[in-house]
Amino acid sequence: RKEVEQDPGPFNVPEGATVAFNCTYSNSASQSFFWYRQDCRKEPKLLMSVYSSGNEDGRFTAQLNRASQYISLLIRDSKLSDSATYLCVVNTPGYSSASKIIFGSGTRLSIRP
Amino acid sequence: EAQVTQNPRYLITVTGKKLTVTCSQNMNHEYMSWYRQDPGLGLRQIYYSMNVEVTDKGDVPEGYKVSRKEKRNFPLILESPSPNQTSLYFCASSPTVRTTYNSPLHFGNGTRLTVT
Repeated sequence: RKEVEQDPGPFNVPEGATVAFNCTYSNSASQSFFWYRQDCRKEPKLLMSVYSSGNEDGRFTAQLNRASQYISLLIRDSKLSDSATYLCVVNTPGYSSASKIIFGSGTRLSIRP
Repeated sequence: EAQVTQNPRYLITVTGKKLTVTCSQNMNHEYMSWYRQDPGLGLRQIYYSMNVEVTDKGDVPEGYKVSRKEKRNFPLILESPSPNQTSLYFCASSPTVRTTYNSPLHFGNGTRLTVT
């Protein structure tokens, strides 16, 4: 089983739709969680951190479910510019005080007019 | 402007010809890392560095070397490149990756390497 798993998609939804992605992680000791956005052939960019209480940034809402070991990303009123690959990132304890950053393989989202 | 700078952006080379991809950050970050990204395989970590003179192997270190002599620089060295190292490479940095901190990664804009 992969340490971090995402549905690769692609998700193809119409403009204005609401779309949600999930990401599961295997290590219950994982501490920090992030969603990144990556446009084709460009560097990943931080979309938002994910906090235990859930957090919202405009049209984007991130949730963490520690009991079931998954994080989610909800995009409301999707725009054409939301088309990208969304990467789930988990920060898991490693040796001593160091930790390991693990990337999911990404979920492709395509918004159609 | 706070940033991670990689050079070159594009590089075409031949098998066996040593090359270096540079990475520099101006944010005084402790942690730096190199990744390669290949279709269907996602981002895979090559090497990382927790601080100056501290480096360690990631998931796919074979064929690569790194050094961290200064905090801001973390070059990736391919002593004898081979075609299977053709990939998109990203350097990234973070203030720290100790688990008590919620520190995201900042990425450079990538180096597309082709080895023929």
